[in-house]
Amino acid sequence: QQQVKQSPQSLIVQKGGISIINCAYENTAFDYFPWYQQFPGKGPALLIAIRPDVSEKKEGRFTISFNKSAKQFSLHIMDSQPGDSATYFCAASRGSTLGRLYFGRGTQLTVWP
Amino acid sequence: GAVVSQHPSRVICKSGTSVKIECRSLDFQATTMFWYRQFPKQSLMLMATSNEGSKATYEQGVEKDKFLINHASLTLSTLTVTSAHPEDSSFYICSARDRNNEKLFFGSGTQLSVL
Repeated sequence: QQQVKQSPQSLIVQKGGISIINCAYENTAFDYFPWYQQFPGKGPALLIAIRPDVSEKKEGRFTISFNKSAKQFSLHIMDSQPGDSATYFCAASRGSTLGRLYFGRGTQLTVWP
Repeated sequence: GAVVSQHPSRVICKSGTSVKIECRSLDFQATTMFWYRQFPKQSLMLMATSNEGSKATYEQGVEKDKFLINHASLTLSTLTVTSAHPEDSSFYICSARDRNNEKLFFGSGTQLSVL
């Protein structure tokens, strides 16, 4: 059973545009929601993470929006660049067991120059 | 920044042989490490949680006798795929949790191909 559902599966954005990836979860015990970026043949790298006590977190061009009541969170990449082309995964875990991450299926982002 | 080294990065073996994958935290101590498996264009699936000095905890559906995990020190965990078969071919990724700040870091993965 997929604990975290992610969409879209693939996304094509023009350089300078906004990339938006959405995730939804069911388990209300989750209290840590990270986003990871993965390049082919590499392990995932943490981009940004949020906890349910805030509705938005911004770091540079990356913003997480969190809707606790809807059990949804999303990643916004502003001013998307070709170097952002990668696979993005949302994940969720319980803070007390950080590391036991449940990942979404991933979004393959392609940014055209 | 903290680094997790995973070795080898790629391994090809014959069906029936065993393969060992190492995961090392290079500049921090990790009481807990995690092993994931990823099929092409798929998500990462948690296989097991490895705690230093104790037995690993396996996720439902993961064969503990097939995937042997050892976490003998605060900087090293190993995953041994025993009697590997072609269906075990996958990308295996470890992560390690820094005992001092609870941050989590991922290795660069091991691509296993079983012929």
